Amino acid sequence: LAKTTQPISMDSYEGQEVNITCSHNNIATNDYITWYQQFPSQGPRFIIQGYKTKVTNEVASLFIPADRKSSTLSLPRVSLSDTAVYYCLVYSSASKIIFGSGTRLSIRP
Amino acid sequence: DADVTQTPRNRITKTGKRIMLECSQTKGHDRMYWYRQDPGLGLRLIYYSFDVKDINKGEISDGYSVSRQAQAKFSLSLESAIPNQTALYFCATSDHWGLAGEETQYFGPGTRLLVL
Repeated sequence: LAKTTQPISMDSYEGQEVNITCSHNNIATNDYITWYQQFPSQGPRFIIQGYKTKVTNEVASLFIPADRKSSTLSLPRVSLSDTAVYYCLVYSSASKIIFGSGTRLSIRP
Repeated sequence: DADVTQTPRNRITKTGKRIMLECSQTKGHDRMYWYRQDPGLGLRLIYYSFDVKDINKGEISDGYSVSRQAQAKFSLSLESAIPNQTALYFCATSDHWGLAGEETQYFGPGTRLLVL
């Protein structure tokens, strides 16, 4: 299993760029890296997914170095509504899905 | 995601009772999942199904069973509920395009279960 390690919590301010790094030292060749966002009492919501290099969509960017042992979720110009828990998942088989405890991101005015 | 619905949304039951949580989806996805979430923790996979009649155990399947009656429906049963099964339960469907990790999961609103 590709165990992931993320910071337990992070704080930032509105308008700032936030980078959350996930460590996954024993990532397997077929594993994809996926990030989800969860608000209290709601189901997680897909943010972004990647395999290598950089992926960008309308809400975030995902940076993956060549060795793929870590990944960084980048949220540009955060707002109060980005306050949530962010999960990094690394798997290539459904039996290996692990959400972990995630990173609790708090955005202040 | 409004295309994934769960019933009931809240349920209180007593130890030893059998209960069923239901999940329906209108996305047309083959893959469906059941998770539980305990306060302050991440989600843990209970069971998953990649097609009708396909059932696979997840990380914490003991004490639970599932049924995939149709592509759109995936139900979770607690045969004899116990207090430590008190949790928030989520169903999810998946849009996939390759290996298991190449997917986007869409989650239902959750069922809050309290076992007394």
